[in-house]
Amino acid sequence: QSVLTQPPSVSGALGQRVTISCTGNSSNIGAGYDVFWYQQLPGTAPKLLIDGNANRPSGVPARFSASKSGASASLAINGLQGEDEADYYCQSYDSSVRVAFGGGTKVTVL
Amino acid sequence: QVHLVQSGGGVVQTGGSLRLSCAASGFNFRTYGMHWVRQAPGKGLEWVAFIRYDGAVQFYSESLKGRLTISRDNSKDTLYLQMDSLRPDDTATYFCAKDIGYFGSGNFYFDSWGQGTLVTVFS
Repeated sequence: QSVLTQPPSVSGALGQRVTISCTGNSSNIGAGYDVFWYQQLPGTAPKLLIDGNANRPSGVPARFSASKSGASASLAINGLQGEDEADYYCQSYDSSVRVAFGGGTKVTVL
Repeated sequence: QVHLVQSGGGVVQTGGSLRLSCAASGFNFRTYGMHWVRQAPGKGLEWVAFIRYDGAVQFYSESLKGRLTISRDNSKDTLYLQMDSLRPDDTATYFCAKDIGYFGSGNFYFDSWGQGTLVTVFS
């Protein structure tokens, strides 16, 4: 059972917008801690996608964006591409367990 | 450019031990905290341990405390994870990861990851 809750899967057609939610509580996101998002392509290591200030590292396309409100956060992919098929994880600091991950969301491009 | 190259891992019997290594380059290793994160087959990410930039402070996941030891050799730019009393549910790919924080006691967010190394524990 992950500390942060994500939907197991989302799907969308090429070019469509999809969003992934990440729900926490008062020990993590709700306490004001940053939320980071990671992308894990099949068979590879996770990669930082968006940091806590909603900044994208060099090389991450602008179609990825993130937001946060209260104890929840979300990742949006605008204009879904085939290469976006991957698992996406949210992560926050947690005052109880230090590191809280979401269970991961598999994005499928239809 | 940050590079984290992992080695070690493999197949071990229940109760056995393994040491994982993570060789860092492309950044000033001795000024950043480092982590280990693992991923069981087909499962999500699980944080394992953290070590401060100078090696003087370590934090562990409560569920793994006592069987794992994180360490580092700043003269060799290398991070280690000593794994003892291994159990089948320790079977996972283990990733080293760089903390985003410069000095300090860790921010507990990750900006670079190693390629991962598979540890398989059989009974």
